Amino acid sequence: GEQVEQLPSILRVQERSSASINCTYENSASNYFPWYKQEPGENPKLIIDIRSNMERKQIQGLIVLLDKKAKRFSLHITDTQPADSAMYFCAASNHYAQGLTFGLGTRVSVFP
Amino acid sequence: GPKVLQIPSHQIIDMGQMVTLNCDPVSNHLYFYWYKQILGQQMEFLVNFYNGKVMEKSKLFKDQFSVERPDGSYFTLKIQPTALEDSAVYFCASSFSGNTLYFGEGSRLIVV
Repeated sequence: GEQVEQLPSILRVQERSSASINCTYENSASNYFPWYKQEPGENPKLIIDIRSNMERKQIQGLIVLLDKKAKRFSLHITDTQPADSAMYFCAASNHYAQGLTFGLGTRVSVFP
Repeated sequence: GPKVLQIPSHQIIDMGQMVTLNCDPVSNHLYFYWYKQILGQQMEFLVNFYNGKVMEKSKLFKDQFSVERPDGSYFTLKIQPTALEDSAVYFCASSFSGNTLYFGEGSRLIVV
């Protein structure tokens, strides 16, 4: 199986600053690490992912980093906006059939 | 993007009764999943399904739970009988390869 730890659980940042969320995993066989954003009352939506053959990936203002040695991956939201306020979940997958193991989530609030 | 449809969006049911949650996955997807989320908390894996069979289930997938997808129609989660602790939002997800999961909008179940 897999265990994913996610910190912090709550993150308040000022508009236009950066927000960083960190996750660790246990199973060195995990090879796929997606990030989901969930707004209140809605479903989780994939925002960015990274596979184990990469160390860094950027899509617009989102950056994900993967350190396989440390079994750690992180999401960095640059130039935050109020629309970035949501729950963010990291996840890891080590087998096609097992789906995803999610972290506990980080509630991000962006204030003016 | 790909859409996973869930019916019903919400249901209130008396404890002890049976409930069936329906999921219409993305048409060419092969892997199907159910996750449980208690309000504002973690997405917890219940079960995954491939090629007409349950591949893996978690400890949360009690004996009262069952899944099926008869003749390629809806992928269903049945709970019989329901208990108070089954109150949650149940998210269906589907995937083509078992990595990137697309989630439905969720079915909010309230057991009274």
